[in-house]
Amino acid sequence: DSGVTQTPKHLITATGQRVTLRCSPRSGDLSVYWYQQSLDQGLQFLIQYYNGEERAKGNILERFSAQQFPDLHSELNLSSLELGDSALYFCASTRQGGGPGELFFGEGSRLTVL
Amino acid sequence: GQQLNQSPQSMFIQEGEDVSMNCTSSSIFNTWLWYKQDPGEGPVLLIALYKAGELTSNGRLTAQFGITRKDSFLNISASIPSDVGIYFCAGQSTGANSKLTFGKGITLSVRP
Repeated sequence: DSGVTQTPKHLITATGQRVTLRCSPRSGDLSVYWYQQSLDQGLQFLIQYYNGEERAKGNILERFSAQQFPDLHSELNLSSLELGDSALYFCASTRQGGGPGELFFGEGSRLTVL
Repeated sequence: GQQLNQSPQSMFIQEGEDVSMNCTSSSIFNTWLWYKQDPGEGPVLLIALYKAGELTSNGRLTAQFGITRKDSFLNISASIPSDVGIYFCAGQSTGANSKLTFGKGITLSVRP
């Protein structure tokens, strides 16, 4: 158990819909990262937040948005869903003072768009 | 953008064998990391390397940070069934907006 909690574990929805994925980082971790994992693209970095502020942006579509709240939990919002958005979405957090790249991943949210 | 190359996509070995995985990049990284993902789980950090030429072990795992800073390898010795999973290399550069870049992973199967 990494200490990073993600909900829901599984989500099935239809094209055009909107979903929200939730992440609680490990206690004390201020940074939250979101990654998308699909079969053909591997782990793709979407976005990072640090203590409520956006820190870095990766290949995140305009239809996707995220935020980190004062209690440090984060939400990833996916809208106007397309079939190609079906993937595993991972949240990760980093330890204060930890080495660069040392991420603790949650178990992921599997999104299926039909 | 930065890309990490891992091949082959899948490897099949016999229990007890050693296996080596390589990761290469056209870009220089200042940190190399190896993660393992078990089915239904998120990736877990195995080894982190912070210095060119560094060789680090974690039990039966050994990883090296290439001298050129453009490659790394991971060696698993005396494989066991629970070594099954996807092994990802990852690299991170430093500086503003540096991001952690992952390879596409190698799926390892271990035959008992």
